[in-house]
Amino acid sequence: QKEVEQDPGPLSVPEGAIVSLNCTYSNSAFQYFMWYRQYSRKGPELLMYTYSSGNKEDGRFTAQVDKSSKYISLFIRDSQPSDSATYLCAIKNAGGTSYGKLTFGQGTILTVHP
Amino acid sequence: ETGVTQTPRHLVMGMTNKKSLKCEQHLGHNAMYWYKQSAKKPLELMFVYNFKEQTENNSVPSRFSPECPNSSHLFLHLHTLQPEDSALYLCASSHQILSTGELFFGEGSRLTVL
Repeated sequence: QKEVEQDPGPLSVPEGAIVSLNCTYSNSAFQYFMWYRQYSRKGPELLMYTYSSGNKEDGRFTAQVDKSSKYISLFIRDSQPSDSATYLCAIKNAGGTSYGKLTFGQGTILTVHP
Repeated sequence: ETGVTQTPRHLVMGMTNKKSLKCEQHLGHNAMYWYKQSAKKPLELMFVYNFKEQTENNSVPSRFSPECPNSSHLFLHLHTLQPEDSALYLCASSHQILSTGELFFGEGSRLTVL
C-alpha cells in the first residue's frame, strides 16, 4: 500500500466550478499536510499548509484534514483558468527539525476551461 | 522567480556520456535536495544536504553522484545512465530549522537518456 494515494485525474471543469482534490494516507505519524501547485514547465510551489484536523481557508482555497479517516482535501471555489495546474499533496511526520522529508502524492492534473 | 535556479533546463545524453546538473539558491537556506519527477509517479527524494553534509541518500544508484560544495550550490553528476532515468530532476531548498516542511523548488532540469 502506498503511503499517500492521490487520484491523478486528469480533471477538467468549467470556469466557476467548485473543485475537490483529495488524498488518503496510511501512516498515523503524519502530522503536517501540504498542498503544492505545479504549473507546466515549473517546479512545485507551496499553496497551503496545515497541521491540524479541520479546515483552513485562504481566499478561494480551503484545505481540509480529517485525521481520523486519514483523508485530506483541497477545495477551490470559483475556479479560474489560471488554476489549471498539477496539484500535489505532501505529508510529513511530526517533530524534530525539518529536512523536507515530505511524502508526495502522485499529483492531480486540473484543467479549468473558460 | 523562486530563488532556486537550475541549469541546464533541458539535457539529452547518451548512455555513455557524463554530464552534470547544477542548482543554486539565493534564499540563504541551509538544506538542499534533489528530487526525481517521473510521469505518473510521485516525487522521489534522492538526496538531502544540510549545511553541506549529506544526510539522506534514498537508495539512489551510484550512477547519480551528488556534490554540495557550499550551502548555496548543489550538483548532480550523471554517468552511464539508463533510459529509465529520463525524468525531470528538481532541486529544492529549505530553512534547516523550519518545521513546516516548506520546500522552494527550482524549475527543474528535463533529462532525456537515449
